[in-house]
Amino acid sequence: ETGVTQTPRHLVMGMTNKKSLKCEQHLGHNAMYWYKQSAKKPLELMFVYNFKEQTENNSVPSRFSPECPNSSHLFLHLHTLQPEDSALYLCASSPDTSGGYNEQFFGPGTRLTVL
Amino acid sequence: DAKTTQPPSMDCAEGRAANLPCNHSTISGNEYVYWYRQIHSQGPQYIIHGLKNNETNEMASLIITEDRKSSTLILPHATLRDTAVYYCIVKGTGNQFYFGTGTSLTVIP
Repeated sequence: ETGVTQTPRHLVMGMTNKKSLKCEQHLGHNAMYWYKQSAKKPLELMFVYNFKEQTENNSVPSRFSPECPNSSHLFLHLHTLQPEDSALYLCASSPDTSGGYNEQFFGPGTRLTVL
Repeated sequence: DAKTTQPPSMDCAEGRAANLPCNHSTISGNEYVYWYRQIHSQGPQYIIHGLKNNETNEMASLIITEDRKSSTLILPHATLRDTAVYYCIVKGTGNQFYFGTGTSLTVIP
C-alpha cells in the first residue's frame, strides 16, 4: 500500500545460516533506510543510502551487511546472527536525505527469529 | 536523542475525537513536526506533518501552538482501527526520524 515492499515477511534462521532481506520501492525515491525494532523498543536506524551510496551506518555489527544495487532496491545480508538479533526489520524510502521536509514511507517489515 | 515528549498511553471512546498531545520545547525554526502511527507489528504509517501552520488531511488534523513548543494530533472520529502507537517526531535536515516510545492509543467500543 505504501509503495514499499519487503520480502520475506517472516524468516526463521539458525545462528549459522546466511539469509538476505529484500526491500523494493516503487515511488521513484532516491534514499532508502533499514531500521530495526526489537520487542517493546523504539525503532533504531541501522543504515541509510542516498543515490546508492551509504551515508550512514549507526554502529551496526558486521554480521549485518547492506547492499543497494540501485535506488529502487535494498538488501540486508545476514550471517552468523545471534538470538538477540530477533526483531522486526523495517525498510523505508524517501525522495532523498536533504531538506527539512522528507517524509519516509515504510514497508510492512520482516519478522526475523534467530534460533 | 528524543526531542519530543508524549504520554505513554491514552484511551478514547469510539466515535469521539482523539486528541494526542506532544511537547517539543526545544524545536528549532527549520524543524518540522511529523506524526506517524504503527499498528501492531506493521510498518509505521505517515499521518501528517507541519512546520508552523495548522494542517488537516483526510486522516487527521495537526494543531501547532504559536510558539511551536507543542502540538496536538486530532483524530476527529476515532474508530477501532485507529488503535495504534502514535509517534510525534521533530526532524530537521538530518536523516533520522527518532521515533521514541510514542503514545499507545486504545479506542474503546
